[in-house]
Amino acid sequence: GESVGLHLPTLSVQEGDNSIINCAYSNSASDYFIWYKQESGKGPQFIIDIRSNMDKRQGQRVTVLLNKTVKHLSLQIAATQPGDSAVYFCAETHTGANSKLTFGKGITLSVRP
Amino acid sequence: DAGITQSPRHKVTETGTPVTLRCHQTENHRYMYWYRQDPGHGLRLIHYSYGVKDTDKGEVSDGYSVSRSKTEDFLLTLESATSSQTSVYFCATIDSSKDGYTFGSGTRLTVV
Repeated sequence: GESVGLHLPTLSVQEGDNSIINCAYSNSASDYFIWYKQESGKGPQFIIDIRSNMDKRQGQRVTVLLNKTVKHLSLQIAATQPGDSAVYFCAETHTGANSKLTFGKGITLSVRP
Repeated sequence: DAGITQSPRHKVTETGTPVTLRCHQTENHRYMYWYRQDPGHGLRLIHYSYGVKDTDKGEVSDGYSVSRSKTEDFLLTLESATSSQTSVYFCATIDSSKDGYTFGSGTRLTVV
């Protein structure tokens, strides 16, 4: 697999702490949002998604919050583990025929042991 | 990722030469996408396909063409490679009935 050495903002957290990764999206017409995780040498992997008719969705150790008023998306990771170290991307799209996914630039999460 | 194979995994080519990258999927997904990933830019859409012989441009399509002659294969061609096309290229698919895109493992292309 491949990845790039992205010059991205970095969030450093202590193992066991909760992490919050934020994303501002641009298109007020977007109605579907996804968080992806990209580990070194791999393609992006789906973590969790949310539709615009919701403001919160929970998965296993992860929660996504959506604030449509300010066009803000966040990913919360509970009890962060070393395996959570990766680059995280938010993505947005307007669902429908021929929909296209637009990605944010990404944030590097670094977990300190 | 399971079901999506990109080839080659790595390629070095000279400026001005044509290059074709292949994305093969076994999921019978209708939609397929080509993205490039560069430092400071994240993932940007090059071209996408919404069915056999149905393709459209993304935000960074200049210098690239695509073809989809059958459901399982989506080809990305650089007609005359330039150094600015040095990048990591990712293919993705989506099943219209499901959520989220599935990505391949990427192709690192270096144009010298």
